[in-house]
Amino acid sequence: QVQLVESGGGVVQPGRSLTLSCAASGFIFSNYGMQWVRQAPGKGLEWVAIIWFDGSDKYYADSVKGRCTISRDSSENTLHLEMNNLRAEDTAVYYCARDNHGGTLDLWGQGTLVTVSA
Amino acid sequence: DIQMTQSPSTLSASVGDRVTITCRASQSISGSLAWYQQKPGRAPTLLIYETSTLETEVPSRFDGSGFGTEFTLTISSLQPDDFATYYCQQYTNSSWTFGQGTKVEIK
Repeated sequence: QVQLVESGGGVVQPGRSLTLSCAASGFIFSNYGMQWVRQAPGKGLEWVAIIWFDGSDKYYADSVKGRCTISRDSSENTLHLEMNNLRAEDTAVYYCARDNHGGTLDLWGQGTLVTVSA
Repeated sequence: DIQMTQSPSTLSASVGDRVTITCRASQSISGSLAWYQQKPGRAPTLLIYETSTLETEVPSRFDGSGFGTEFTLTISSLQPDDFATYYCQQYTNSSWTFGQGTKVEIK
């Protein structure tokens, strides 16, 4: 069925790196832009990054710019988020989402929890 | 960056009530606004995009309106399944921002 499944979350020490993955299925992955959105415990949604359908353009929130890299592998129908120099404030559930209708997110994964703690 | 401000932050209402949530943008976003619903422990789901277009299978009791900097989400008759947190989101000029959320609670 049409779905997104994130993986790669876990507990990581401050300053370390982590790469999240999102496996897409049930739709033509290469036709859609993809985004990462995060939600700190008990807080609201925060946009993190977007990659164009063909990977030609990427944008990042100021809070992660320079520390995160979004990428995609259309041969594997997979989205990635490489996060470096992690901080306590990066602790959140990270969702991948499909970008449709020119910027809205019509399909979300279940999320993967990243905890940054010593 | 464009800031999105929702009001109220929390709303207490009863089944059958008409409910309105407001979302204000710090600068004009034309009609590039979406609304999402999120229930505890679940991923958000898209309700409305382009200010007023209902996503597939979203009940018609949900209605979106507005343009420029001020937008509203109205639920015409609140149902038990509607108690949740609602977020607006703008998507313009390579910028994507969510409002802080409005929690709709049972009165």
